[in-house]
Amino acid sequence: KQEVTQIPAALSVPEGENLVLNCSFTDSAIYNLQWFRQDPGKGLTSLLLIQSSQREQTSGRLNASLDKSSGRSTLYIAASQPGDSATYLCAVYPLSSGSARQLTFGSGTQLTVLP
Amino acid sequence: EPEVTQTPSHQVTQMGQEVILRCVPISNHLYFYWYRQILGQKVEFLVSFYNNEISEKSEIFDDQFSVERPDGSNFTLKIRSTKLEDSAMYFCASSEDSGGAKNIQYFGAGTRLSVL
Repeated sequence: KQEVTQIPAALSVPEGENLVLNCSFTDSAIYNLQWFRQDPGKGLTSLLLIQSSQREQTSGRLNASLDKSSGRSTLYIAASQPGDSATYLCAVYPLSSGSARQLTFGSGTQLTVLP
Repeated sequence: EPEVTQTPSHQVTQMGQEVILRCVPISNHLYFYWYRQILGQKVEFLVSFYNNEISEKSEIFDDQFSVERPDGSNFTLKIRSTKLEDSAMYFCASSEDSGGAKNIQYFGAGTRLSVL
């Protein structure tokens, strides 16, 4: 059974710092990997999707990398801002699945960016 | 920008009552999903739906749960007889397709279900 782990569970940084969030998964047979942002009491906002054939994806100040063989993904946030404060979730799509792809989520990293 | 809409945002119900959570997926999407997040726990997959039938379901999705697409726009999750442990945030999601970049799932803001 796929297990997704995210470390650290919580992170507090001063504004302007570059930071890295980590995600690891136990079964490297994944289809895609997706990073989400969740604000308190809110829904999930998709940030980046990395297909299994890709090694990284970039959107603005965000860069996500994927190393399937080692079962790892990282989310790099450049020049962090207080508005980046949220919980960041990593989720993987299994390779062995039916026509639709159920996501397996990590427990998230709660990020606080201090002004 | 198109978005997944869920109603109500908060539902309070008594144990044993039936509840229906409603979702309007993005209009050109073909795959629909329900997930739940118990407070302080991971987001968990419940069920996926394609071509008017369940595609996959988890062990959480037992006989107390059902899904339906009653018309061309709505997608519902029904819990027949709610239990205290059904209290959670329920998320609806949709995707355009199941392959490649079109697999990306877009989530609604969620319905918080509180069972008393």
